[in-house]
Amino acid sequence: DQQVKQNSPSLSVQEGRISILNCDYTNSMFDYFLWYKKYPAEGPTFLISISSIKDKNEDGRFTVFLNKSAKHLSLHIVPSQPGDSAVYFCAASDGSARQLTFGSGTQLTVLP
Amino acid sequence: GAGVSQSPRYKVAKRGQDVALRCDPISGHVSLFWYQQALGQGPEFLTYFQNEAQLDKSGLPSDRFFAERPEGSVSTLKIQRTQQEDSAVYLCATSLTGRMTETQYFGPGTRLLVL
Repeated sequence: DQQVKQNSPSLSVQEGRISILNCDYTNSMFDYFLWYKKYPAEGPTFLISISSIKDKNEDGRFTVFLNKSAKHLSLHIVPSQPGDSAVYFCAASDGSARQLTFGSGTQLTVLP
Repeated sequence: GAGVSQSPRYKVAKRGQDVALRCDPISGHVSLFWYQQALGQGPEFLTYFQNEAQLDKSGLPSDRFFAERPEGSVSTLKIQRTQQEDSAVYLCATSLTGRMTETQYFGPGTRLLVL
């Protein structure tokens, strides 16, 4: 069973507009959430994270929102740039384990 | 500074062949993780080391998979008698101390194709 789900395999957005990537989770023990970005032939690189005690975390153009009651988080990118085109993975961990549980990824394409 | 490096970057193996995949962590990083990423999927946890101790191997799919980190630095993931379903990208990640909220830094991965 997939504990972290990204239901949109792909998303296309015009340059300058907002990109919203969504992620749902089922394991209520998850208390730390991350977004990773991956370019082809490279490993995932950390983008932004949020602890379950917060509902929002912002870093420049990137903001992550967490809705614990809905077990849902989202990544907002404003404004989107062509260099943001990549696969974005949502990941989660709980206090008892060090490993990350990943979603299946969303391919973001930002059109110039 | 140097990031996590993995070798080889690509490996083609015949079914039944043994393979060894290497991970060189960021210098000083205590924690090391191996993940397997199948095509179109996210990475899935295989095993975790704290220094030379393998603390969690719950993600290893079968006893054909074996990982070691004898001196607490370089790690090797070995797959014996490879099967076609082992075809995937194998990712290594390291973190400084292994605290839950600590960033894991990923290597570029080894793409394994079993024919």
